[in-house]
Amino acid sequence: NAGVTQTPKFRVLKTGQSMTLLCAQDMNHEYMYWYRQDPGMGLRLIHYSVGEGTTAKGEVPDGYNVSRLKKQNFLLGLESAAPSQTSVYFCASSYAPGRRNYGYTFGSGTRLTVV
Amino acid sequence: AQKITQTQPGMFVQEKEAVTLDCTYDTSDPSYGLFWYKQPSSGEMIFLIYQGSYDQQNATEGRYSLNFQKARKSANLVISASQLGDSAMYFCAMNRGATNKLIFGTGTLLAVQP
Repeated sequence: NAGVTQTPKFRVLKTGQSMTLLCAQDMNHEYMYWYRQDPGMGLRLIHYSVGEGTTAKGEVPDGYNVSRLKKQNFLLGLESAAPSQTSVYFCASSYAPGRRNYGYTFGSGTRLTVV
Repeated sequence: AQKITQTQPGMFVQEKEAVTLDCTYDTSDPSYGLFWYKQPSSGEMIFLIYQGSYDQQNATEGRYSLNFQKARKSANLVISASQLGDSAMYFCAMNRGATNKLIFGTGTLLAVQP
């Protein structure tokens, strides 16, 4: 049982380059999330999705886009990377509220450096 | 606005002793959930314990317990009999509404000393 898989695990980009982070879950979770983690700031929500074909902005959405074409996948895109986007990115998934076990399952993270 | 506050940036504890990590929260919603996650140096986020706002008893999971004081809006994590492997960053989090978005505190770095 893989849980939540993020690819890639590490990446170095030059300013202005684009890339896509892939998140895949095999738990049939309805909800999926992208967070970024920066020192001293905890995790902050970038975008999230409550179902296939739906996405919504979180706390820090600027500079990112997302898509959820399939229930199991949630993609995070950076169209023109900036040094301020250097961070560790976490994908997570959960059941919809109403079920007892609606805690998050996290991926292992992607460490992105923009130079 | 909903907010999670962890006032202890770092803490030390001796092996085999108990330690309490503080967490206070602010919300006007009557229904919410509180979570604690552990992040070791390897970086993954590990779920530890959950407390629902309507739960009558404090949550426990093995050596972890959550001291839930609703009136004070606090949800402190208690780790009993600390082990060297407990050295990690610990995050308190609260979920928000129907979208189940989690908001996180800034974390507490715990160091267990032999």
